Amino acid sequence: GENVEQHPSTLSVQEGDSAVIKCTYSDSASNYFPWYKQELGKRPQLIIDIRSNVGEKKDQRIAVTLNKTAKHFSLHITETQPEDSAVYFCAARETSYDKVIFGPGTSLSVIP
Amino acid sequence: DSGVTQTPKHLITATGQRVTLRCSPRSGDLSVYWYQQSLDQGLQFLIQYYNGEERAKGNILERFSAQQFPDLHSELNLSSLELGDSALYFCASSPNKGDTQYFGPGTRLTVL
Repeated sequence: GENVEQHPSTLSVQEGDSAVIKCTYSDSASNYFPWYKQELGKRPQLIIDIRSNVGEKKDQRIAVTLNKTAKHFSLHITETQPEDSAVYFCAARETSYDKVIFGPGTSLSVIP
Repeated sequence: DSGVTQTPKHLITATGQRVTLRCSPRSGDLSVYWYQQSLDQGLQFLIQYYNGEERAKGNILERFSAQQFPDLHSELNLSSLELGDSALYFCASSPNKGDTQYFGPGTRLTVL
């Protein structure tokens, strides 16, 4: 089955700097890769997603890139703000069973 | 607000007991997913239902069971509870199989 790894597990950046979180997946047939943001004690919320027929997608300060050959995808946050502090989860969808497998998460701290 | 509701918000019970967690998906969504999130842990996929039928299973213990009813709401039953079952339990829904998932607010279960 699908396995998703995520790095780093923790990340601290200064406000205004960029943050990059990287994920790798094992199932080359996976075709959908969402990213979720979870604030402490809250529900995970979808922030951006990308499908396997697209290499990059942007939404304001957030972008995701996908390299199907290398089986990795990354989240880029530019001009970070304190409210970006949260745990970020990447995920990949198994096509065989439509299960979405989550990475272990990255705790991002943006220091004012 | 994602449109997914979960009850109760909090549940405190004793070891050996049985509890039922309830989830109502977004209007029109056919798929329901259950996840367990222990303290400082990632999202562990438990089970998925699609239009009343079990679609995919994750690392769900035999002591746990779930079902999706004709009105599409779902219940997760946890029995013979152990201290290690204390966690946040999230429900998510999506329009079809494997689509973008929208999470409910979660039920925090504490087993004493």
